[in-house]
Order: sequence, then C-alpha cells, then structure tokens
Amino acid sequence: GESVGLHLPTLSVQEGDNSIINCAYSNSASDYFIWYKQESGKGPQFIIDIRSNMDKRQGQRVTVLLNKTVKHLSLQIAATQPGDSAVYFCAVEGRAAGNKLTFGGGTRVLVKP
Amino acid sequence: GAGVSQSPSNKVTEKGKDVELRCDPISGHTALYWYRQSLGQGLEFLIYFQGNSAPDKSGLPSDRFSAERTGGSVSTLTIQRTQQEDSAVYLCASSLDRNRGQRYGYTFGSGTRLTVV
Repeated sequence: GESVGLHLPTLSVQEGDNSIINCAYSNSASDYFIWYKQESGKGPQFIIDIRSNMDKRQGQRVTVLLNKTVKHLSLQIAATQPGDSAVYFCAVEGRAAGNKLTFGGGTRVLVKP
Repeated sequence: GAGVSQSPSNKVTEKGKDVELRCDPISGHTALYWYRQSLGQGLEFLIYFQGNSAPDKSGLPSDRFSAERTGGSVSTLTIQRTQQEDSAVYLCASSLDRNRGQRYGYTFGSGTRLTVV
C-alpha cells in the first residue's frame, strides 16, 4: 500500500524567511501530488498540486518540487508570513491506491515575528 | 453551494449511542470522500464514492461504521454504538470525476468534531 511520511514534524521560521517542507512517499505508481494547509478548526485547504509528468510547479509564493527518482516531494514557501502558520500535509494519489488520496502525518509551521 | 458543507460542526454523544454525520458536496462533483482526523494526527481515509460505482470502503475501521450517498449528492456517515476511540474530526471532501480528464481538485469541508463521552 501507499505510505507517506514527513521529515520534520515542526518547523519554526522567522517572518520573511523561506520555508521548506519535505515529504516522502513509497509508491512509485503515484501520479498526482497535492499540498494542503490546515489552520486550527478548519478543513485542509488546497495550496498547490503537481502531476508526475512534471518536476516543478510554481504558484503564488509557493513552489512544489517532485523528485520521482527518490520519491520525494517538497513545498517551498517564499517570504513566510504570520498567516502561513498552520499544519501542512502532503497527499498522493494513484491507481495503485484506488484513486484515493493518502495523506502524510503533517508538519506544523510556526512563523515567528 | 460554493463549498463542501458538513453538519453538525460539533457533536457530543454518549458512549454506545449512534451518530449520523452529513456531508453536502460541491454541486456537480461526482466523487466524495470521508476522512477521519484524530487530535494532532494526519488524515485517515475511510470511504470513497465515485459516481454510480461501488464505494471503496477499505478504510472503514469496523462494521460499526457505514456510509451512504443518496442521489449522487449528499452523503451520511453513520457510526453505531460509538466508542471513545471514535472521537475525532470527520472530514468530507468532494472532487470532479477524475475519469473525464478534467482538471480536478479535492475540496474539503470544515469537518464534524465528534466527542464520545
């Protein structure tokens, strides 16, 4: 089955600095990857996604990098702001997992003013 | 509606009672998912509905858990004879039909916080 893990459970970052959150997945057949942000008391909110035919995708202040060789996914947040404080989850999907999202355990990002 | 709506937002129930949690997906979304999130933990898959296909129930933790989706829209997750370990936030998400090749994304509701006392 699929398993997804995160390298750092908590990340403290100074306001204005860049943040990098990492995620490893186990199933090489995974073909769709999503990063979610979850604030306290709310459901996960879509940030950015990437398909397996790409290795990089950029959004507003966020970049997702996919390394299929080592089955690693990362989320980079540029110029981290206090509003970025939240728990971030990576999720993967693929036919081998029955087309359902499998989530990692989450990384809490704390932005220090 | 504009987003995925879940009700109730909070539910406190006594051990042994049955509970029903409701999810209204985004209009037009044919895929619907239920996840469970324990305090400080990641999301645990429970069940997945896709159109008229048989649901994927592989994540349901026991036969006390069941879900249905009526008319391809609203879904109800039922937990019978609730136990304290059932306490968690139950999240619902919906997405477009993946098989149509449309760009799709999963939109989550805010969840139902279930507390079994």
